Amino acid sequence: AQRVTQPEKLLSVFKGAPVELKCNYSYSGSPELFWYVQYSRQRLQLLLRHISRESIKGFTADLNKGETSFHLKKPFAQEEDSAMYYCALGGGNAGNMLTFGGGTRLMVKP
Amino acid sequence: NAGVTQTPKFRVLKTGQSMTLLCAQDMNHEYMYWYRQDPGMGLRLIHYSVGEGTTAKGEVPDGYNVSRLKKQNFLLGLESAAPSQTSVYFCASSLDLAPYEQYFGPGTRLTVT
Repeated sequence: AQRVTQPEKLLSVFKGAPVELKCNYSYSGSPELFWYVQYSRQRLQLLLRHISRESIKGFTADLNKGETSFHLKKPFAQEEDSAMYYCALGGGNAGNMLTFGGGTRLMVKP
Repeated sequence: NAGVTQTPKFRVLKTGQSMTLLCAQDMNHEYMYWYRQDPGMGLRLIHYSVGEGTTAKGEVPDGYNVSRLKKQNFLLGLESAAPSQTSVYFCASSLDLAPYEQYFGPGTRLTVT
């Protein structure tokens, strides 16, 4: 069965510090991975997808198939990055459905 | 263009009561989903629909029923609410060509006492 694990429920950093939100997955096929974000009082929204190899709001994420990881990184955290972040895996035995991790709350302190 | 809307925003039920949550989208999306969000457990898929008139079970379907009579609406029903169904419920939709790029509603906070 496919699974997504986000080992940290809470990550607290100071403004300007680097950030890495960890995501590990288990999946036997070719994965499609995503990061979703939920800012306070806002809807859950797609942040980035691994196939695009894009940088959104300074965040990047690299798929490491050897380590089955898709960690989200930003070199210099900003206060407005404070939010709930979810890693999600698409595909597999659930068809075209997303499997979400448990989420990591990022708090960026001034 | 309202995107995905959910009704109601909040609801308190007593054990055994029933209710229906309504999700509506105006993006002409084929796929629609119902999730529940619980602390530390992320979002878990309850039911989903790949088109008008179709529904399928997700990861945690027990105690819930759904209907998709119109393409733009996806209803989630609780026939006999239990305290374990206290949660925040999110509806989402997506194009069939991009099922993983989902658009979410604002959520419904349900408390069952």
